[in-house]
Order: sequence, then C-alpha cells, then structure tokens
Amino acid sequence: DVKVTQSSRYLVKRTGEKVFLECVQDMDHENMFWYRQDPGLGLRLIYFSYDVKMKEKGDIPEGYSVSREKKERFSLILESASTNQTSMYLCASSLVTSGGANEQYFGPGTRLTVT
Amino acid sequence: AQKVTQAQTEISVVEKEDVTLDCVYETRDTTYYLFWYKQPPSGELVFLIRRNSFDEQNEISGRYSWNFQKSTSSFNFTITASQVVDSAVYFCALSEVESGGYNKLIFGAGTRLAVHP
Repeated sequence: DVKVTQSSRYLVKRTGEKVFLECVQDMDHENMFWYRQDPGLGLRLIYFSYDVKMKEKGDIPEGYSVSREKKERFSLILESASTNQTSMYLCASSLVTSGGANEQYFGPGTRLTVT
Repeated sequence: AQKVTQAQTEISVVEKEDVTLDCVYETRDTTYYLFWYKQPPSGELVFLIRRNSFDEQNEISGRYSWNFQKSTSSFNFTITASQVVDSAVYFCALSEVESGGYNKLIFGAGTRLAVHP
C-alpha cells in the first residue's frame, strides 16, 4: 500500500525558531513535493525535488528551504519561523513518467502554528 | 498562465441528493492533465481521477462521475445519491507536462461539501 508519512501532525513553534518538517515515502518515487494549504487558497507549491540532492523552487519558496539527501526523505526547513508561516503543510510524492503526469500521493499533513 | 477556479466555496446537501462540483481551468498548453482529489476531515488528500487533455470521454466510477468539456474548459464532478461519508473538501487540479518527467499541480481553492443525514 502506498504510504507517505510526515513526522508530526501538529507542531507549535515560536517566532524565530528553526523548524524542520520531515516527509518519508516508501514507494520509491522520484518526485517529492511540499505544499502549504491555506483557507480559500487551496494548495500552493513551495518546493519540489525530482531526484536526490536536486530541488526546484515552487510558487512560494520565500522563507523556506529543503533538503533531499535520500530518495525516500524530503525535508522542509523554515530557517526563522514567522507567524505568517502558520499553515497546514502537505508532502506528496509521485513517479516519473516521460510525457505523462502521474498522480501525487499525499501525507496526512502537519498543522504548524507559529506564535 | 495556468489557473484552476472552483467557484463553489461550500455546498450543503441532504443525504441522497445529487451534487455537482464545478471546476474551470485555464492553460495555454494542448497537452495537460486534470485531477480531482478528496480531502476528508483526517486531512490526507486522496486521489480520485486523472484525465488527459486528449480524452474527453466522461467517466463513471460507482456514484462518482466526471464530465470533461474542452470547449468550456471545465472538468465537473458529480456525486449521485450523496452520503455522509462524502463530506470532505474536494480539489480540482491541473498539470502541464514538464520535460523532466515531473509534473507540478496547480490546485483550485477547493469546495467544501457537507452532506447531512
């Protein structure tokens, strides 16, 4: 069964803290993604990775960085958390198919509150 | 630019009613993919369907059906005889094919469906 797991369901951090969100997939997928979900805005792509050590900026990368040292793990880092980064964070993964677009499989999400 | 519009923010129905969730998209590409995802209260998005731009056949899966019309750039989702378990947020998404084999999804804002007993 397909599985994407995220390290925490709920997280509360203080302004200025460095925050790590971890995502692990067990499907041997090449692609991994980080989104944030806010009411009325849907999901917006922060960063994605199509291979180990490779990363690409999404639509809203400011204030975030990522790390992919192993194929199955993709980390999202908030270098200095701010209150406007309070949100639901969703990780996803997908296979690579030349000329196609595969469905993405999502983790359960991490609801981050920055106070 | 790519864009997905789900104009219905919230829909409330009574069990056994039919309900249609609207999705309108914008893209300049001729090759693209459309998706629907369901997000139940547990939070995890669940993949429902993928449709490519060359396949305009409607699809039916149990109580779910999808109507893809390129002429109106719409990909609507209908639930027949709704049930309480259908209560969720539903997202429509668009993907253009990238040369590297990865695909970025552009999501609509979502429609929250509440089915009451």
